[in-house]
Order: sequence, then C-alpha cells, then structure tokens
Amino acid sequence: GDSVTQMEGPVTLSEEAFLTINCTYTATGYPSLFWYVQYPGEGLQLLLKATKADDKGSNKGFEATYRKETTSFHLEKGSVQVSDSAVYFCALSTTSGTYKYIFGTGTRLKVLA
Amino acid sequence: EAQVTQNPRYLITVTGKKLTVTCSQNMNHEYMSWYRQDPGLGLRQIYYSMNVEVTDKGDVPEGYKVSRKEKRNFPLILESPSPNQTSLYFCASSPLTGTSGKKETQYFGPGTRLLVL
Repeated sequence: GDSVTQMEGPVTLSEEAFLTINCTYTATGYPSLFWYVQYPGEGLQLLLKATKADDKGSNKGFEATYRKETTSFHLEKGSVQVSDSAVYFCALSTTSGTYKYIFGTGTRLKVLA
Repeated sequence: EAQVTQNPRYLITVTGKKLTVTCSQNMNHEYMSWYRQDPGLGLRQIYYSMNVEVTDKGDVPEGYKVSRKEKRNFPLILESPSPNQTSLYFCASSPLTGTSGKKETQYFGPGTRLLVL
C-alpha cells in the first residue's frame, strides 16, 4: 500500500544552518505531496505542497521538489531560525481509488540560538 | 474566521464509558477526516468522509465510529473506549476540486487529548 518514510529526529541545528529533512514515498498513481508543520501544543498547518512531478512548493523560506524518479519530496531551508523549531510531517494524498491521506512519522527540529 | 473546532480539548475517562468528540468546520468543505497522533507513529487516519452520509475507513478504524449527517459536523464516537485509545486526536477538513474530487490542503483542528484509564 501507499506509504511515507521520513528521516527520524530529533534534528538539532544552530541558527542560520542549512536544513534538510528527507522524505520518500511509495504510491500508485500521481499523489499530491505535502509538508505540514506542528508547533508545540498546536494542530498541524500546511507548510507547502506540490501536486505533480517536478513542481516545487515553497513557503517561508522552505522548499521541496516533487521528484517522481526518486519518489522523494525532501524539505530544505537555507538558514533556519529558532522560531522554526517544530515537528515536520511529510504526507501524501492517495489517488488510487481511495481518498486517504498518509503521513510520515514526523521529524522534530530544534534550532539553537 | 475560517476554522475547525473540536470539543472537548482534554478528556479523561474510564474503560467502557462511551464518549463523543465533536468536530465542526465553517468553510463548507466536503472532505473531513479524523486522525490519531501517537509518539513514533505520526498521524494515522481513522475515518474520513467525502460528503454528507458518505464515510469510509482509514488505516486504524477499529474501536471508532463516525457519522456525517450535516456537512459541517463530523463527530468521532468511541462506543467502549480502551486504554490503547489514549492518544491525541485531530479533526481536519478540506475542499474537493475538479470532477475527480481531487483533495486539497487539509485544515486541522487544535486537537483533543484523550486519556482512557
């Protein structure tokens, strides 16, 4: 079945460091891909998305490119801030006859000043 | 303000005592869904609904029921809660677009933390 695999955390970085969080997926058809962010004590909110191959989603300095050939959607940011500390979830929405969302296990990011 | 609301936010109950967690959205979204979040497991989908009176199982539906009698509401029912249902629960909604009903961005509620003793 469809699945999402993302790198385990926690990831600890110094402020202004470069961030990469890896995400790979298994899916039939052409799913849409998402990154959601969860700040402490809150629900999830969309960070960025891509709906077809080679699309690049971007928001708040974060970027991710939908790579069908490597089935990946890695999240990157050139210079992280303390305020980016949160849990990041990679997700896909299925297109193969069901209407589910599949989430990864989440990656906790901690940015130190 | 566009939002998804859940009630209650915190709940402590005992094994076997039926409970309902309510979810309501004011964005006229067709698609609604329930998730549970557990450490190391991420979010797992319990049930979803494509529209009124249309519901289907997600990946972990055992022990849960849902109903969709109105477009804005999607309550989660635990008929006989057990300790393994202790978790953080999220409701979410999204619009459907196009003739194929493609799903768009989900909007999440603030979460309900449930403890079953």
